[in-house]
Amino acid sequence: DIQMTQSPSSLSASVGDRVTITCRASQGIRNDLGWYQQSPGKAPKRLIYAASSLQSGVPSRFSGSGSGTEFTLTISSLRPEDFATYYCLQHNSFPYTFGQGTKLEIK
Amino acid sequence: EVQLLESGGGLVQPGGSLRLSCAASGFTFSSYSMSWVRQAPGKGLEWVSAISASGGDTPYANYVKGRFTISRDNSKNTLFLQMNSLRGEDTALYYCARHDSGSYQSLQDWGQGTLVTVSS
Repeated sequence: DIQMTQSPSSLSASVGDRVTITCRASQGIRNDLGWYQQSPGKAPKRLIYAASSLQSGVPSRFSGSGSGTEFTLTISSLRPEDFATYYCLQHNSFPYTFGQGTKLEIK
Repeated sequence: EVQLLESGGGLVQPGGSLRLSCAASGFTFSSYSMSWVRQAPGKGLEWVSAISASGGDTPYANYVKGRFTISRDNSKNTLFLQMNSLRGEDTALYYCARHDSGSYQSLQDWGQGTLVTVSS
């Protein structure tokens, strides 16, 4: 199985800050990775697909990069609604695997 | 608008069975692969199983293999998850999710989930 190691597990930041979350795959997964945002009590929402493509309707302050084994999600300027938990998901091979999640909290 | 509506969750004793359903609308259901993903209380997301558009391919996570069965009825736009031999660690919110296409790829759309509680 492919292991996805996501860091950090939690992050404290302020409105307007730039933040970066990283996922590392235990083996190469090309660009078969998505990023998801989950607000409390809500279903996950996809932000990024194919590692760097912005999902329709998602603000451009979200961006993704990477290929192979290392991937990043960047939020360029935090808004209050961005404080949530973020997950990466590899879909290169079954079983699909998620990162452990990054809880983004207000400083 | 894509809609995925899960149902069938509830309280069940260890060793018991439950059948989850996911009613899909707003897209051509028979053209898309589907998955079940779960989330234990206060924990992260965990992929459970997927099914191809035709229903002919059904991969599973190791921890549910032999106990859970995914299926679909394309004539009724509905996805199912039959869960047998349930354990306490199966307690979770179960989401159904639509893949990008008929050949799997990423998970694009999600339902709101149905809660399964396994307890005596």
